[in-house]
Amino acid sequence: QKEVEQDPGPLSVPEGAIVSLNCTYSNSAFQYFMWYRQYSRKGPELLMYTYSSGNKEDGRFTAQVDKSSKYISLFIRDSQPSDSATYLCAMSPQTGANNLFFGTGTRLTVIP
Amino acid sequence: SQTIHQWPATLVQPVGSPLSLECTVEGTSNPNLYWYRQAAGRGLQLLFYSVGIGQISSEVPQNLSASRPQDRQFILSSKKLLLSDSGFYLCAWSRDLTGTGGAANYGYTFGSGTRLTVV
Repeated sequence: QKEVEQDPGPLSVPEGAIVSLNCTYSNSAFQYFMWYRQYSRKGPELLMYTYSSGNKEDGRFTAQVDKSSKYISLFIRDSQPSDSATYLCAMSPQTGANNLFFGTGTRLTVIP
Repeated sequence: SQTIHQWPATLVQPVGSPLSLECTVEGTSNPNLYWYRQAAGRGLQLLFYSVGIGQISSEVPQNLSASRPQDRQFILSSKKLLLSDSGFYLCAWSRDLTGTGGAANYGYTFGSGTRLTVV
């Protein structure tokens, strides 16, 4: 079993839709949870991070962590064509070197 | 502010030729440095990481090697490229934030990547 599971998609939605991206994990020691956005032919960029359980909101983006279910989500409200990218979840038990585990990424296309 | 530079952006090399990809970080000291390869549909594969000058850890045995000659410089090399070495190579850095307080970036910061095609 992989440490982090993520549906690769692809996912296509109309502009303005609410998008839900999800990851599940198996390691109960994970404490830090991140979402990266990667545009085509570019490096991933950190979009949001959360520590432990709960929600975090940043503009149209909401990150949600449910440690009891080992499940994290990223919601995008009022999706825009510029949101079209691959979204990777990542998580870590603690800060430090070589302890970040990535999902394989979900490719999202927002259709105008 | 910290920045990470990776070059070249694209590279086409014949099979059997050598490879050298360079990554440098500015605005921080003693970063942890990483080389990843990303293949379509397979996510990020960690190749090497380094916690200090001359300290290299290899995650996957393969045709590649890494070196860290300076604190903020990380080099990915190969003596003879294989077709299977084609892919998107990403350098990244992070800081060990254990013990610090306040808002901080707990994730890795990636470079813009190198698209390598071996022909």
